[in-house]
Amino acid sequence: EVQLVQSGPEVKEPGESLKISCQGFGYNFSNYWIAWVRQMPGKGLEWMGIIYPDDSDTRYSPSFQGQVSFSVDKSINAAYLQWTSLKASDTAKYYCARLATLLGKTFDYWGQGTLVTVSS
Amino acid sequence: SYELTQPPSVSVSPGQTARITCSGHALSKQYVSWYQQQSGQAPVLMIYKDTKRPSGIPDRFSGSSSGTTVTFIISAVQEEDEADYYCQSTDTSGGFEVFGGGTKLTVL
Repeated sequence: EVQLVQSGPEVKEPGESLKISCQGFGYNFSNYWIAWVRQMPGKGLEWMGIIYPDDSDTRYSPSFQGQVSFSVDKSINAAYLQWTSLKASDTAKYYCARLATLLGKTFDYWGQGTLVTVSS
Repeated sequence: SYELTQPPSVSVSPGQTARITCSGHALSKQYVSWYQQQSGQAPVLMIYKDTKRPSGIPDRFSGSSSGTTVTFIISAVQEEDEADYYCQSTDTSGGFEVFGGGTKLTVL
C-alpha cells in the first residue's frame, strides 16, 4: 500500500529555522516526483514546487522561489521542506503529494499534512 | 501567472446533481484532476485526466471537458459529499502545476 507519512506539528518563533519531512512507503520512492503544497488557515491549496528523488532535480513555484528549499534522502525514502528564517505568514498546513505523470500529472497520494505555527 | 477559476460555492439538495466548473485558457491542451478535501483532512484524488476515476471512487463522481472549461459532476449527492473541491492542471508555459481556488459544496 502506497503511503506518504509526514512529520508532526511544529510551533516555532519568527526567525527560527525548520525542516519537515515526508516519508514514502510501498512504492519506488526514487522514481516519482514529490510535490509540496501549502494551505494557509481557511484558504485553498497552493503548489510550492516539486523534487525528483532520484537526482534531486527541483522546480519551485515563482511564489516560493528563495523562500523555501527542498531536499531528499533516498536512503530512507524521505523528502524535506526547509525554511532558514520563518515568518508569521508561514503559518499553514503543508502537504506532500506524489505526482503521477503517467496519470496525466495528477497527485495520486497525499501525506496527512504537517501543521506549522509561527508565533512569538 | 496561470489561473484556474472555480465558483466559490455550490449548493445542492440530497439526491440532486452537483456540477462544479473549472476554467483556464490551457485546459483544452492540459489534463485536469479533481480533489475532494473534507474538513481537516488531506485532499483525496477523485478524477484524473479530465474524466478518469481512480479505483475506489464511486461512479456517481465523474468529469467532463469542453474546450477551456472542465466540469466535475456528483450525481445523487449525499450529505457526506459536503466538502471543498479543487481542480488542478499544468501551466504549459512554465511546466508548473496550479490549483483552482476551490469550491465549497454545501448539501442543503
